[in-house]
Amino acid sequence: AQTVTQSQPEMSVQEAETVTLSCTYDTSESDYYLFWYKQPPSRQMILVIRQEAYKQQNATENRFSVNFQKAAKSFSLKISDSQLGDAAMYFCAYRGAYDQGGKLIFGQGTELSVKP
Amino acid sequence: DAGVTQSPTHLIKTRGQQVTLRCSPKSGHDTVSWYQQALGQGPQFIFQYYEEEERQRGNFPDRFSGHQFPNYSSELNVNALLLGDSALYLCASSFDPGPLGDTIYFGEGSWLTVV
Repeated sequence: AQTVTQSQPEMSVQEAETVTLSCTYDTSESDYYLFWYKQPPSRQMILVIRQEAYKQQNATENRFSVNFQKAAKSFSLKISDSQLGDAAMYFCAYRGAYDQGGKLIFGQGTELSVKP
Repeated sequence: DAGVTQSPTHLIKTRGQQVTLRCSPKSGHDTVSWYQQALGQGPQFIFQYYEEEERQRGNFPDRFSGHQFPNYSSELNVNALLLGDSALYLCASSFDPGPLGDTIYFGEGSWLTVV
């Protein structure tokens, strides 16, 4: 069975600085998708960034980028120029490429606070 | 374009009672998944509905059941409520057979408190 682990329950960053959130996963599948979701106090999950396992190039979305290390099964999220609105729970998630049901497996989450 | 909508937003039930939560998927989506998120935890997959059938199920007891209607909306039913069922219940929708990496959209959830 696939598992996702986030070892940092809480992280803090100064506004305008850079922070990296860690995520490791375990799978025997060769093809899959990895995601970072943001969950603000409104509780709605918002997709931040997505990475296809077959792509070697790390995904980037504006201030958000990932460091995808397939061999190490590591998928970290880097937030540059942190803003107060980035404060939220961040979840790393896995989805098998051949899973027709599209089930997401989530980590435990990292609560990010941004200090002004 | 309305996103995923869920109702009710909050509800309080007594142990042993039954509850029904509702979800309308994003326009154009035909697949609905339900997740349970306990306080301080990541969401856990309950089950998924496609073409009015349960296609996949997570590690949840039979007390958890669901339904999908012809208009793709869905219900989650929980019988014989336990205190441990208190959680945020999230509905997610997607389009099948879209790309498997296609974006899954979530609703804002239904907060269930069992007392």
